[in-house]
Amino acid sequence: EDQVTQSPEALRLQEGESSSLNCSYTVSGLRGLFWYRQDPGKGPEFLFTLYSAGEEKEKERLKATLTKKESFLHITAPKPEDSATYLCAVQAYDYKLSFGAGTTVTVRA
Amino acid sequence: GAVVSQHPSWVICKSGTSVKIECRSLDFQATTMFWYRQFPKQSLMLMATSNEGSKATYEQGVEKDKFLINHASLTLSTLTVTSAHPEDSSFYICSARGTSGRRIVDTQYFGPGTRLTVL
Repeated sequence: EDQVTQSPEALRLQEGESSSLNCSYTVSGLRGLFWYRQDPGKGPEFLFTLYSAGEEKEKERLKATLTKKESFLHITAPKPEDSATYLCAVQAYDYKLSFGAGTTVTVRA
Repeated sequence: GAVVSQHPSWVICKSGTSVKIECRSLDFQATTMFWYRQFPKQSLMLMATSNEGSKATYEQGVEKDKFLINHASLTLSTLTVTSAHPEDSSFYICSARGTSGRRIVDTQYFGPGTRLTVL
């Protein structure tokens, strides 16, 4: 059974204080690892897809990296608008996504 | 691109009634659509997968007679919660993947969700 574990559960940051979120996974046949952002009461918003170990992708203050067992989402110099729940999901070859529980990030001005 | 809409965004109904939720892909053809539910402070749980023109495949523990899914076209899937009860109250979210022209939209793009409250 595919498993995705995200840590920490919650992260409180001061504006400008960089940090990293972790996503560790076990999956039989990884097709891709996805990062989404979810705001309260809304659907997840796509951020990144990573397909192979060593791959990195960046978008504004966010950078995602992938190894064979885990992925990191680095938030550089966060702003209050980066406050959200960040979800990690693994996709197996049947295209189904298995989600982690998420990390709720709060950035204080 | 890759926009998915849902309607309604929220609905309140009486126990025993049925509720239909629509999910539409606006700028690509959704060959596969997925339905999830999310309880407060929990992550998304996959309920079922539907391919256009085929019967939906339900995850273990999801009652197929209670949650009716129809994927009649490449841009529309519907979820009908039949004989709804208070325990069915949840946030229901759809996602879609497919093609746009020659491009494969491999990523699952999510709709904004529907908040269902059953009284």
